[in-house]
Amino acid sequence: DAGVTQSPTHLIKTRGQQVTLRCSPISGHKSVSWYQQVLGQGPQFIFQYYEKEERGRGNFPDRFSARQFPNYSSELNVNALLLGDSALYLCASSFRWDTNTDTQYFGPGTRLTVL
Amino acid sequence: GDSVTQMEGPVTLSEEAFLTKNCTYTATEYPSLFWYVQYPGEGLQLLLKATKADDKGSNKGFEATYRKETTSFHLEKGSVQVSDSAVYFCALISGGATNKLIFGTGTLLAVQP
Repeated sequence: DAGVTQSPTHLIKTRGQQVTLRCSPISGHKSVSWYQQVLGQGPQFIFQYYEKEERGRGNFPDRFSARQFPNYSSELNVNALLLGDSALYLCASSFRWDTNTDTQYFGPGTRLTVL
Repeated sequence: GDSVTQMEGPVTLSEEAFLTKNCTYTATEYPSLFWYVQYPGEGLQLLLKATKADDKGSNKGFEATYRKETTSFHLEKGSVQVSDSAVYFCALISGGATNKLIFGTGTLLAVQP
């Protein structure tokens, strides 16, 4: 079975530009979460979606937005890029969003570099 | 707020050495605990988990026991291999209606032949 997939693998942008990252969850999973991993740190929670509804939001500015589609895939958008947005962006999928026992499976990530 | 603490810096071990990685947590509600591993250039993989006190998670020779009294979830392996070289993250999901993961800063393990 296919795991969580993310595209693109790598991305280079300049300050002020906008970027869209994409994620496809494991088949049957309805919940998608996004995390930002800055080099040398643990991942930080950005958003969670379930059945196209936002179920959680981390402490990130409004430049960050996301959505989930009817097929449960998701996009993360970042506007007005800053140098500090350079990071590995990870997508995770799970069956549910409302329990702490459900395992989340991560994709390989998108490496964003902002110059 | 909830948090996970991993205090160790990078560790280098020889093959077949014993491994222990410390993890302590703070949580307002009864959490589930996880260890994730990140191999070079890859995303995160779940290594093991425990969802209630005294549970022992195990996988690939790694073990960790959920200790509520010491708020800890230390990772151990009796004999490491070169292929275990990676960054290890301890994480929790707090109780309640959420599956938001809160990660520690991670610790790098390098295993030399």
